[in-house]
Amino acid sequence: DAGITQSPRHKVTETGTPVTLRCHQTENHRYMYWYRQDPGHGLRLIHYSYGVKDTDKGEVSDGYSVSRSKTEDFLLTLESATSSQTSVYFCATRAGLAGGRITGELFFGEGSRLTVL
Amino acid sequence: AQSVSQHNHHVILSEAASLELGCNYSYGGTVNLFWYVQYPGQHLQLLLKYFSGDPLVKGIKGFEAEFIKSKFSFNLRKPSVQWSDTAEYFCAVIQGGSSNTGKLIFGQGTTLQVKP
Repeated sequence: DAGITQSPRHKVTETGTPVTLRCHQTENHRYMYWYRQDPGHGLRLIHYSYGVKDTDKGEVSDGYSVSRSKTEDFLLTLESATSSQTSVYFCATRAGLAGGRITGELFFGEGSRLTVL
Repeated sequence: AQSVSQHNHHVILSEAASLELGCNYSYGGTVNLFWYVQYPGQHLQLLLKYFSGDPLVKGIKGFEAEFIKSKFSFNLRKPSVQWSDTAEYFCAVIQGGSSNTGKLIFGQGTTLQVKP
């Protein structure tokens, strides 16, 4: 598996506080993703990055921002956490092109469980 | 907008029964298609993928999927399930070809429960 580390793995916070989740990869993968997983909703894409300083919104981006200042790190920030953002957050990476072909396989981190009280 | 639908939310089967999980996507251009599996307490892992060529794709653990372009479908099948197949299954789509945006979208998942 690709070396993907998420931190923190568990966090409990209060409504209105800012929260930053960090994803760190050691595989030099071009693409990085933040998903949230909730029962009945599967994995929903929050934001993704297709290169350093290149990011785009996913399906559920409201209330979240991201930054990618270097290849290995992708930060997800909740500016003012709400109870609806209680979830398990997964970071994933994807290599991109390999041998001229698109590689689709995602490599996942272990997840970060966030509880907003 | 690109979307993925999995119509079976919860499937219960007995061991040795055949499995088919539905997946439909909305994007009309070239796509790359995937099935991922998530066993209890674990993160997602790739079952199989389709990029081009033979529309019948074989994956790990005896799973296969058929890409039917005219139906925008990529259904997952297994002839005989085992108790160890109990897991959640996710279909995923990414736009392929030169227009690849990198956005990879998942369906809402299907929970499979196999009774021994």
